[in-house]
Amino acid sequence: LAKTTQPISMDSYEGQEVNITCSHNNIATNDYITWYQQFPSQGPRFIIQGYKTKVTNEVASLFIPADRKSSTLSLPRVSLSDTAVYYCLDYPSNTGKLIFGQGTTLQVKP
Amino acid sequence: EAGVTQFPSHSVIEKGQTVTLRCDPISGHDNLYWYRRVMGKEIKFLLHFVKESKQDESGMPNNRFLAERTGGTYSTLKVQPAELEDSGVYFCASNGGQGLTYEQYFGPGTRLTVT
Repeated sequence: LAKTTQPISMDSYEGQEVNITCSHNNIATNDYITWYQQFPSQGPRFIIQGYKTKVTNEVASLFIPADRKSSTLSLPRVSLSDTAVYYCLDYPSNTGKLIFGQGTTLQVKP
Repeated sequence: EAGVTQFPSHSVIEKGQTVTLRCDPISGHDNLYWYRRVMGKEIKFLLHFVKESKQDESGMPNNRFLAERTGGTYSTLKVQPAELEDSGVYFCASNGGQGLTYEQYFGPGTRLTVT
């Protein structure tokens, strides 16, 4: 069973900022919070990962509060090509097993 | 640098037949993982190789599935005999053996259809 909970779907328009929030109610001390993106007919692709506070890379920002029970993936100024499924995962640093949930299907409209 | 490749991209077989899926990880990656998504379900972990050894095979559904990684390079996943419920997309992923291994690089998947 997935350890995280996130909205099934979201809609946005080009140029908007999109924030996808995930609940990590069962996160363990040695888990990292990780987000993947998946386009149709492709495998998942790593976006960003963090343990706490804020992480930013060229693709997105990840906000993690002090209690680590939630995380928010922020995509600035989305475009049509950002339409994809986004997965949040609790990644245990001592194993390699990724446990995927249903993900959030983001639809970006023109 | 070449990414993770999988072969074939699509396979259609009849129930009871055998199919072998192949995964070529990124060169130098010690860790290799198999996942699958069956229709309407979530992506599920199958197993994890470290080099040629099975580190975790807790996700393998039954003994009709056999995974190998000869010489710690490419891996094969054989399904024998295939059943209808085996239909789905099989993903392979790999990552390096040192430091944090959170970023797994996925291949495009093999779509298996059992009729």
